Amino acid sequence: DTEVTQTPKHLVMGMTNKKSLKCEQHMGHRAMYWYKQKAKKPPELMFVYSYEKLSINESVPSRFSPECPNSSLLNLHLHALQPEDSALYLCASSHGDSGSIYEQYFGPGTRLTVT
Amino acid sequence: KNEVEQSPQNLTAQEGEFITINCSYSVGISALHWLQQHPGGGIVSLFMLSSGKKKHGRLIATINIQEKHSSLHITASHPRDSAVYICAAFILTGGGNKLTFGTGTQLKVEL
Repeated sequence: DTEVTQTPKHLVMGMTNKKSLKCEQHMGHRAMYWYKQKAKKPPELMFVYSYEKLSINESVPSRFSPECPNSSLLNLHLHALQPEDSALYLCASSHGDSGSIYEQYFGPGTRLTVT
Repeated sequence: KNEVEQSPQNLTAQEGEFITINCSYSVGISALHWLQQHPGGGIVSLFMLSSGKKKHGRLIATINIQEKHSSLHITASHPRDSAVYICAAFILTGGGNKLTFGTGTQLKVEL
């Protein structure tokens, strides 16, 4: 299984809602990533988990809260988002820890719209 | 100025043409990723390389570390190759090797 899955594919939420994005991989990868991508822009790194511990937080606002319950699963909890947070949220994973150089495998993304 | 630059930003080709997309970077890197993103959003890894040349089917990627330059070539292009192609460099930072993305090249291959 060389796949990273993400659910849901699409999400529309109001500014007062709480929702979660889910990412899963069964490749035995030990590093997992959240990226945010706005239209016609490259992905921007948000968070990195390495061996289930948060290793990088790229100064992301606290309304985004990551969680890594186990080595296969990565969640992104959303609360009190703003319309400018509307974007494609991509999850990725790689072998080894985030400090090393390993090919990253990306999921299909969750397209989030905040109304 | 972005540490990773791509050219061209947009490219339209006729089916069968040989295509080259260029990537240059301004800092030392550990390795470089070539990625493909289709309109649906999902990103597929094409190559990861730190020296020389790699080939997979009709795709060829080369890198010249001294000149800080990489190219992605597509031979016998086909409409299904239409996508955004992104180069991303592993740049060593205080937090380890961070993937820094170029701005992407939108490729359209017409019949």
